[in-house]
Amino acid sequence: AQKITQTQPGMFVQEKEAVTLDCTYDTSDQSYGLFWYKQPSSGEMIFLIYQGSYDEQNATEGRYSLNFQKARKSANLVISASQLGDSAMYFCAMRDDPNFGNEKLTFGTGTRLTIIP
Amino acid sequence: GAVVSQHPSWVICKSGTSVKIECRSLDFQATTMFWYRQFPKQSLMLMATSNEGSKATYEQGVEKDKFLINHASLTLSTLTVTSAHPEDSSFYICSAAPQETQYFGPGTRLLVL
Repeated sequence: AQKITQTQPGMFVQEKEAVTLDCTYDTSDQSYGLFWYKQPSSGEMIFLIYQGSYDEQNATEGRYSLNFQKARKSANLVISASQLGDSAMYFCAMRDDPNFGNEKLTFGTGTRLTIIP
Repeated sequence: GAVVSQHPSWVICKSGTSVKIECRSLDFQATTMFWYRQFPKQSLMLMATSNEGSKATYEQGVEKDKFLINHASLTLSTLTVTSAHPEDSSFYICSAAPQETQYFGPGTRLLVL
């Protein structure tokens, strides 16, 4: 069975600093996909970034990058130059097949990020 | 990204009534949609996988007679909470994937009095 572990229940970061949110995963599958979602207080789940298990390069999307270390089974999210609007819950998630969207996601417990002005 | 809508965003109902929540993919067709439930300060828990034209697949521990799912078209899935009770109060959110990424609706907050 798949498992996602987020060990940081909460983090406080000064505005404009970079922040790393940890995510480790456990799977016996060779093919999988890793996701990060942001959930502000409104409740919506906002897709941030995706990494396929066979992707050799770390994914990047604007200020977001995914530090993918396959051997260590980690997929940490790095947010550069944090902004007040980054304050939210962040969830790491995994799907069995990296290329097939119609597979369910397994979520971690989340990290609440608070940006301090 | 792709757009998924949900309606209603908020619902308050009396205990014993049924509540229907709609999930629509606005700019793509979705043969599969997912329904999640989230309690305060917790993560998302998958309830069921909604399959267009066939029966939904429920996760272990989710009562299929309590949470009725209908996926009648390629853009619409509905979740009906039957005979709702206060313990059903939660945040319900759906998702669908046009390709490899799942996009979520804005969610529905259900409060059963």
